[in-house]
Amino acid sequence: QVQLQESGPGLVKSSETLSLTCSVSGSSITSTGYYWGWTRQPPGKGLECLGTIYYTGTTYYSPSFSSRVTMSVDTSKSQLSLKLSSVTAADTAVYFCARHKRADFWGGYPTDWGQGILVTVSS
Amino acid sequence: SDELTQPPSVSVSPGQTARISCSGDALAQKYAYWYQQKSGQAPVLVIYDDTKRPPGIPERFSGSTSGTMVTLTITGAQVEDDGDYYCYSVATSGNYVVFGGGTKLTVL
Repeated sequence: QVQLQESGPGLVKSSETLSLTCSVSGSSITSTGYYWGWTRQPPGKGLECLGTIYYTGTTYYSPSFSSRVTMSVDTSKSQLSLKLSSVTAADTAVYFCARHKRADFWGGYPTDWGQGILVTVSS
Repeated sequence: SDELTQPPSVSVSPGQTARISCSGDALAQKYAYWYQQKSGQAPVLVIYDDTKRPPGIPERFSGSTSGTMVTLTITGAQVEDDGDYYCYSVATSGNYVVFGGGTKLTVL
């Protein structure tokens, strides 16, 4: 059973960079059958996919975030990381990491999720 | 912007059939996926590849497709099915994935 756990600061100042880590256990992060992704959910709003990454480091970012987001994978630690730069109050959200099953489109679809971590951007 | 369009809300009484639609041009060629999210929890996959049900998902959940629209049907909805439902697929305008805006299902 795969387990994902997000960690990082719960409070980030406006204009700074949000940095989160996702620790993966119960599944090899180098499995060829999966991508790994980040999705967020602002309070009271819907889900937004930020992007996905393959264990080789190949990334696919959603256009809405591509200028500000960086994802990476550390296979030795079985961890993913997310960086979102120049944050504003609009970036306040619960951030989820997820394992995505490969499909006939890049990035695949999420099948297993972390519990999420609330990040608040303060001014 | 929502390249996958869902109704904001659907309401049914227990035992009735709930139908939640999701429309988008890419759905004519790409599979759709459905997620259930209860308050304060991570989403759960309930339908994949338009019509398939993951292990552990009750049989009352089913998916269908017609052209550029997919539909999640809950036959005999239960109070515990109350929550938000999101479709997910490829965006029309580019090579990336998106969630629909979400539909709040009320069963009472």
